[in-house]
Amino acid sequence: DAGVIQSPRHEVTEMGQEVTLRCKPISGHNSLFWYRQTMMRGLELLIYFNNNVPIDDSGMPEDRFSAKMPNASFSTLKIQPSEPRDSAVYFCASSLEGTDTGELFFGEGSRLTVL
Amino acid sequence: AQTVTQSQPEMSVQEAETVTLSCTYDTSESDYYLFWYKQPPSRQMILVIRQEAYKQQNATENRFSVNFQKAAKSFSLKISDSQLGDAAMYFCAYRSAYYSGTYKYIFGTGTRLKVLA
Repeated sequence: DAGVIQSPRHEVTEMGQEVTLRCKPISGHNSLFWYRQTMMRGLELLIYFNNNVPIDDSGMPEDRFSAKMPNASFSTLKIQPSEPRDSAVYFCASSLEGTDTGELFFGEGSRLTVL
Repeated sequence: AQTVTQSQPEMSVQEAETVTLSCTYDTSESDYYLFWYKQPPSRQMILVIRQEAYKQQNATENRFSVNFQKAAKSFSLKISDSQLGDAAMYFCAYRSAYYSGTYKYIFGTGTRLKVLA
């Protein structure tokens, strides 16, 4: 089975540019999570969806960040405009909720560098 | 709100020896899940072991085992017969029970484990 697929794996951009990160969750999973990892703050939950509906976006740092999940197999995290402090590794993860499994499956992450 | 604390930023262990990584958490819930995830240099997050709070028996996966102390809200990971491939960042995580309607996984800040040859 294919795991969680993220793209791009690496992104280098200049301050002010728009950045779009993409995620394809594991087929059949009904919950999707976006995390940001930095040395200073560790793993921060930005937003999560259940059945394509955003449930909790309290971790989204500011209005420059937005996330969508138009269908069960695709999600995007957009930063517009990007700033150097947004440099981090962004992880997408998915899980199957409604059972007692509870395992979170992660993608390989997208490393973002904003110059 | 739930919190997860890992008080050891870095640990070292000699190859073939045993090491224990600490994790404490705070919650008012009685039913929840706890996890240990491993992040090697490749960056991929990998589930090591999980524990359901309603189970008194400590979870074990080969060389990995936990010491779950519910009353003390402690969830430590023991790695036996450490191998060079165990070198990684280890994250402790908490999740509310599936029926809570909250699917958030809360992670600690991680412990970097070094394995010395």
